[in-house]
Amino acid sequence: ETGVTQTPRHLVMGMTNKKSLKCEQHLGHNAMYWYKQSAKKPLELMFVYNFKEQTENNSVPSRFSPECPNSSHLFLHLHTLQPEDSALYLCASSQDTLNTEAFFGQGTRLTVV
Amino acid sequence: AQTVTQSQPEMSVQEAETVTLSCTYDTSESDYYLFWYKQPPSRQMILVIRQEAYKQQNATENRFSVNFQKAAKSFSLKISDSQLGDAAMYFCAYRLNFGNEKLTFGTGTRLTIIP
Repeated sequence: ETGVTQTPRHLVMGMTNKKSLKCEQHLGHNAMYWYKQSAKKPLELMFVYNFKEQTENNSVPSRFSPECPNSSHLFLHLHTLQPEDSALYLCASSQDTLNTEAFFGQGTRLTVV
Repeated sequence: AQTVTQSQPEMSVQEAETVTLSCTYDTSESDYYLFWYKQPPSRQMILVIRQEAYKQQNATENRFSVNFQKAAKSFSLKISDSQLGDAAMYFCAYRLNFGNEKLTFGTGTRLTIIP
């Protein structure tokens, strides 16, 4: 347990559904991240938040919408997804974006049908 | 752009033996960090070991050690006295030590421990 909790652990959704992934950290960190992990591909950084402000959007389609209401919580709102969006979505946090060590959650396994 | 290459998709080792996982990277920078992360079946990425590029000495953490060859841009992970709990995906990662630079990951190596 690294202090980063993601819910749900598994999610199956249809292409017309709207769902949200949640990430919570109890480490007092100020930076939070969403990564996408697909089979046989490197982890892809999607979004970075630092002190609740989005500092990076890595050319992510608009069907993924992040929200960071405070430094402890990060959401990823999903709508009108495609089957190729099926992947493991990992949340991470670090003290700030200059800090070298990121702590990861256990991920949400998303399947789009 | 920086890239990280792990050329071994899968490796296996007998319990109690030693195994080495390979990683190479491409960068024109001189000040950066390199990491090995472990992802067990629980899926949580856990930092195993970190190396600062400006340090000559290879990092060690208990049974885990690295062989950092800066000129060759190579960063291998050696696991000694392999244990069943070491079975996992291992990811090599790079981060520039400047500003808000992101982690760049390799594709991972799946390590199996044979009892």
